[in-house]
Amino acid sequence: QVRLQESGPGLVKPSQTLSLTCSVSGIKISSGGYYWTWIRQKPGKGLEWIGYIYYSGSTYYNPSLKSRLTISVDTSKNQFSLKLSSITAADTAVYYCARVIAMGGFDPWGQGTLVTVSS
Amino acid sequence: EIVMTQSPATLSVSPGERATLSCRASQSVSSNLAWYQQKPGQAPRLLIYDASTRATDIPARFSGSGSGTDFTLTISSLQSEDFAVYYCQKYNKWPPGVTFGPGTKVDIK
Repeated sequence: QVRLQESGPGLVKPSQTLSLTCSVSGIKISSGGYYWTWIRQKPGKGLEWIGYIYYSGSTYYNPSLKSRLTISVDTSKNQFSLKLSSITAADTAVYYCARVIAMGGFDPWGQGTLVTVSS
Repeated sequence: EIVMTQSPATLSVSPGERATLSCRASQSVSSNLAWYQQKPGQAPRLLIYDASTRATDIPARFSGSGSGTDFTLTISSLQSEDFAVYYCQKYNKWPPGVTFGPGTKVDIK
């Protein structure tokens, strides 16, 4: 059974860089066949796609976040990560990671981690 | 940029009734559309992808239809556990890109 788990600081100061990691179990990222993705949900709001990564390191980003975003993969640890720079209160959200099925739906999802941006 | 809209914003349904949720794209997305269910405090769960393919372990009462710009998620007989927010999502196969709709809340009538 494939499982994903997000980890990272729950509180980050404005202007800093947000760093989150998604640990994957039940499947090897290096096996290929799937993209991996980050999504966020601001409090009381809908879902926003952040970006994709493949085991090879190929990435595709939401254009609205691209200038501040880096998604990377560490196949030795079976993890992929997100770094979002120059964060503001508008980046406060629950951040989810997920596997991409057939370049389409996201399944399964991690439980999500709340990141609050505040001084 | 393709914009996704969902209607209605809120749908009030009695248990056992049929629920029909709509999702519309501002331009054709072919069949590149998924539906998700999200309950309070939980991550979304994939229900349907490629417009009409049920995801693993999703009950048969959930069905998806449509192509191009107009899509429908139908819940044939609402169970108590189905009261939730439902999101549609369009995806580009190439180049990759994703947009979610704003969601439809299904609550108890």
